Order: sequence, then C-alpha cells, then structure tokens
Amino acid sequence: GNSVTQMEGPVTLSEEAFLTINCTYTATGYPSLFWYVQYPGEGLQLLLKATKADDKGSNKGFEATYRKETTSFHLEKGSVQVSDSAVYFCALLDPPTGANNLFFGTGTRLTVIP
Amino acid sequence: GAGVSQSPSNKVTEKGKDVELRCDPISGHTALYWYRQSLGQGLEFLIYFQGNSAPDKSGLPSDRFSAERTGGSVSTLTIQRTQQEDSAVYLCASSATDRGSDEQYFGPGTRLTVT
Repeated sequence: GNSVTQMEGPVTLSEEAFLTINCTYTATGYPSLFWYVQYPGEGLQLLLKATKADDKGSNKGFEATYRKETTSFHLEKGSVQVSDSAVYFCALLDPPTGANNLFFGTGTRLTVIP
Repeated sequence: GAGVSQSPSNKVTEKGKDVELRCDPISGHTALYWYRQSLGQGLEFLIYFQGNSAPDKSGLPSDRFSAERTGGSVSTLTIQRTQQEDSAVYLCASSATDRGSDEQYFGPGTRLTVT
C-alpha cells in the first residue's frame, strides 16, 4: 500500500539556520511526490513537487529531490526566515495503482525564531 | 480567479445531529476530493469524485458519512448522527484532471466541533 513517513516535530530553528525535514515513502507504483505547507490561519497550499525519479522540486528557496533508491523526498532550505514558520506536509499520489487521492505524512511544525 | 471555497467556515453541532458541509471547486476542475484533518489522525482522505465516474468512497470512515457532487461542480459532504470523534477540519480540494502531476488546490476548510 501507499504511506508517507515524515520527521516528527516540532522543529525550532533560529533565523538563517539550515532546514531539513525528512520524508520517506512506500508506494506500489511510481508516485508523484509533494510538499504542502500550511501557514498559520491559512489553508493548505502546494510548496513544490516532483513527478519522477531524480526530479528536483523547488520553490521559495526550498528544495526536495525525488530519490527512488532511498524512497525519500527530504525538504531542505539553506537559510530559513521567520516567515517560514508553518506546518509542512509530505505527500504522495499514485494514480497507476488506482488511488487518485493524496497520502499525507503527519506534518512537521516548524518555528523560526529571530 | 476564485479558488476553492467551503462553507460554513465553522460549525458547532450537538452529538447526534446531522450536518452538511459544502464545497465549491475551482470552475472547470473535473476532480474533487474531501479530506479530514484531525488531531492524532493527521490528514486523511475521505472521498474522491472524477467527472461522471462513480466516486471513490474508500476513505469514508463509516456509513454515517456520504457525499454528493451535483452537475459535476458543487459537492456536499453529509455526516449523519454526528459523534464527538467527527470533530475535525474538513478540507475540500479540486484539480483540473486526475493526472498525478496535477496540483490539488485546497479550500480553507470547515472546522466541525461536535459537543
């Protein structure tokens, strides 16, 4: 079956620190992988995605590389800002198996302090 | 353009009552999804509609939950005889198609509290 295992939080970092949030997945097909972000008081929004192995998704200074050999899609940012404080969700979509819904990790709450 | 909208934004109901939650997807999007976000359970899939095909109901937690999508647009999620464990934020999303690469756009959610 499909599942996503995500690094547990919460994570607290100082501004300009390096961020890594680990995400690994289990899928029966060849899934597309996503990172969604939920800022305080706002809805869930797509941060970045990768649809095949070795693809790198990037947005707003965040990056994640689709690693098939390690079944991972870790989120990284070189220098976080206070405005990055949010909950981050790793997710996969595996339509070839007949499942068109997103499978989400449990979410990681990031707090960036000045 | 307008995003996914949901109503009401908040709903407080007594245990045992029925509730209806509404979702207006982005115009022209053929795929519509309902998810639930609750403490301890994270984000979980409930039901999926694609065009005129039969919905995928595999995520519905019990037969108290049902959903309709009329005319391929607006969707209503109904919870009958609500229980306290139904308290959660109910999220609706839509996508242009059901291809794996298509982004799902989420609405702001309906926060349901069952007292």
